[in-house]
Amino acid sequence: SYELTQPPSVSVSPGQTARITCSGDALPKKYAYWYQQKSGQAPVLVIYEDSKRPSGIPERFSGSSSGTMATLTISGAQVEDEADYYCYSTDSSGNHRGVFGGGTKLTVL
Amino acid sequence: EVQLVESGGGLIQPGGSLRLSCAASGFTVSSNYMSWVRQAPGKGLEWVSVIYSGGSTYYADSVKGRFTISRDNSKNTLYLQMNSLRAEDTAVYYCARGRASGTDGEYYFDYWGQGTLVTVSS
Repeated sequence: SYELTQPPSVSVSPGQTARITCSGDALPKKYAYWYQQKSGQAPVLVIYEDSKRPSGIPERFSGSSSGTMATLTISGAQVEDEADYYCYSTDSSGNHRGVFGGGTKLTVL
Repeated sequence: EVQLVESGGGLIQPGGSLRLSCAASGFTVSSNYMSWVRQAPGKGLEWVSVIYSGGSTYYADSVKGRFTISRDNSKNTLYLQMNSLRAEDTAVYYCARGRASGTDGEYYFDYWGQGTLVTVSS
């Protein structure tokens, strides 16, 4: 079955740039999406279609994708950005299934 | 304003059945892709199922043959019928509105409910 691979954790100091990667064989053909989930809350979409930012999401959140890797970048990370981040895409085998990465815990301290 | 409110979770014994509901407001369920996503305690997100606006349904291998996604257009509500429940089905179940994107079979989730907890234990 299709898999998306993320690092389990990333740690930065406030004001630094955090980069979270997501690798998957189908990413050259499928968009990547990114969700932020704070403790005890539902996920929130922060990036869609590789690099687009929904309304209300701060400009410090950006996304890119090249080859089999997508990257979420948080420029000037804030303490309030500490959360779990999940990449998401859909399987390219035609089975219409969604796939989440394992998640990355971002620590900002 | 788009809202999704799940209900129906609870404690159920292994082998039992449960039906989750997701009441939607601010949009029409039947005109959108709708999905269920679950999260086991302390674990990551797992896609469970999707129903397309045309009615086609798809499932994760882990639930195929045991879970059924459906909707009631008159109530603007999404359902997940869960049968033959196992301990590994214990999770918070979220319903989410899907948006089609990119190529055929590609979609993502722009709104999520707050989730309902299902605990499968004897």
